[in-house]
Parts: sequence; structure tokens; C-alpha cells
Amino acid sequence: GENVEQHPSTLSVQEGDSAVIKCTYSDSASNYFPWYKQELGKRPQLIIDIRSNVGEKKDQRIAVTLNKTAKHFSLHITETQPEDSAVYFCAASPQGNKLTFGGGTRVLVKP
Amino acid sequence: EAGVAQSPRYKIIEKRQSVAFWCNPISGHATLYWYQQILGQGPKLLIQFQNNGVVDDSQLPKDRFSAERLKGVDSTLKIQPAKLEDSAVYLCASSLRLAEIPGELFFGEGSRLTVL
Repeated sequence: GENVEQHPSTLSVQEGDSAVIKCTYSDSASNYFPWYKQELGKRPQLIIDIRSNVGEKKDQRIAVTLNKTAKHFSLHITETQPEDSAVYFCAASPQGNKLTFGGGTRVLVKP
Repeated sequence: EAGVAQSPRYKIIEKRQSVAFWCNPISGHATLYWYQQILGQGPKLLIQFQNNGVVDDSQLPKDRFSAERLKGVDSTLKIQPAKLEDSAVYLCASSLRLAEIPGELFFGEGSRLTVL
């Protein structure tokens, strides 16, 4: 089955700086890569996703890049704000919404 | 639009006891998922339904876990007998899309299980 590894496990940044989270996946058939944000005690929520026919996608301060050859994808958050503090999960799916999640990255934005 | 409803929010039981969790997805969502999230880890898929049929239950420990979605709407996840390692948050999610089409999952608040 699919295996997704996520790094780093924790990330502390100064407000206004950028944050980058990286994930690698094992199944070359994976074609859907969403990112979910989970605030403390809350439900995971989708923040951005990318499909394998696209190399990069951007939504305001958030961008995701995908390298199919290397089987890795990354989340970039620019101009970080305190409300960006949360746990971020990457995921990959070789089939529909059968998602395998990474272990998560706890992001702390220091004011 | 009402979100995914789950109950109970918290449950504490002793090992070898049984427990059941209930989920009501967003109205009209065809697919429903149960995930297990152990503290400090990402969610792990347990079972995926499309309407009232099981699409994937390959990671469900069937010796102790069972799930059903009899009428294709709400769903119940049962654990019997519970083990210490079952302590986790059980997340239910639903999607408007059919199982083979990727798209946004809408998660419930989760049911936190503590097994003593």
C-alpha cells in the first residue's frame, strides 16, 4: 500500500517568514495530493490539493508543488500569521479518496 | 449547511468492554469514511462506504471492529472487545463525490476514546 512520510514533525517560524513542509510518497500510481490543516482540538480541514497532471498550485499565501519523478510534494506558506499555527497533514491517494496521511507537522508561528 | 455530526464526543471504557460511535454525514454525501487518529499521528483509514456498500475495509481490524451504513446515510462503528491500543480519536468524514473520484473530505469533530 501507499506510504507517506512528512518532514519536519515540528516547525517554528517568526511571523512574516515562510514555512515549507515536505512529503514523499511510495506508490507511483498516486494521483491526488491534498493538504489538511488541523487546529488544536478541531477537525481537519482541506486547505489546498493538487492532482498529478499539475506541477504547482497557488491559493493566496499557500502553494503546493509536486514532483512526480521524485515522488515528493511540498506545502509553502508565505507571510505566516499567528492563525497559521496548527498541525498540517499531507496525504496521497492512488485511487479516488482512499487517502494515506503523513504523520503531520506542527507549525508554530511566533509573533 | 450542517456539518458531519458525531457522537459521543468522549468515551472512557475499560479494556475488553465494547463501544459504539455514530456518524451522520452531510446530507447528500454518497461516500463516508471512518478514520482512526492516534495522538501525534495522521489519520488512518479504517473503512470507506459508498451509499450502503463497503468500498474498502482492508485496514479494519475485523476481529474487533465492525461498521455499518445500512440505509446509506448514517453509520455506526463498533469496537468489541476494546484494547488499550484502541485509544484514539475516531473521525468520520464524508464526500459529495463517488469513491473513485478524489475531492474534499468533510470531517466531523471526532469521538475521543480512552481505554483504561
